Amino acid sequence: GALVYQYPRRTICKSGTSMRMECQAVGFQATSVAWYRQSPQKTFELIALSTVNSAIKYEQNFTQEKFPISHPNLSFSSMTVLNAYLEDRGLYLCGAMTGENTLYFGAGTRLSVL
Amino acid sequence: QQQVRQSSQSLTVWEGETAILNCSYENSAFDYFPWYQQFPGEGPALLIAIRSVSDKKEDGRFTIFFNKREKNLSLHIKDSQPGDSATYFCAASEGTNAYKVIFGKGTHLHVLP
Repeated sequence: GALVYQYPRRTICKSGTSMRMECQAVGFQATSVAWYRQSPQKTFELIALSTVNSAIKYEQNFTQEKFPISHPNLSFSSMTVLNAYLEDRGLYLCGAMTGENTLYFGAGTRLSVL
Repeated sequence: QQQVRQSSQSLTVWEGETAILNCSYENSAFDYFPWYQQFPGEGPALLIAIRSVSDKKEDGRFTIFFNKREKNLSLHIKDSQPGDSATYFCAASEGTNAYKVIFGKGTHLHVLP
């Protein structure tokens, strides 16, 4: 079946520092990877869509300068949160798209900022 | 305006009962409707999904009933178990923007033993 691994599962960083999270699709080729953030109130925000060999599409309120993404092949993607502050807290989810346009999420990386 | 609306924030049923979670949507262009199950501390796991060309999708104890004309759908969980206690998110997406999943606010299901 389709599995998406994300690591680390949890991370704590000091305000103003950066952290990188990784996402790996296992058992299928992820044509695209969509990065989401789930707030402490459980609402979801789409950050960006990354498709191999295409430009990354960032949603409004999210930029490459703040959330740079790397997507070198069909099974791996990473995203960095630069200069993290309190408002960046949340569960960051990697959603990998299959060829049937089905989105499978990883367990998420929970970011806490001190 | 919320594009995907879940009518209940919370639902409690007894073990063995059928839990019914309701959802409605605004955008007629939505054609794919996944339901995600999320346990505390975990990411949302795809539970079952339906495309707008169908009116029913069944997978074990889980069934989606879909009404395109009324723009609503429901998830039925038969023979609910305490292990089904989780937050269930109704979601929707449209065609070529399938990655842009619009989530409802979730219904927290409690199954009492």
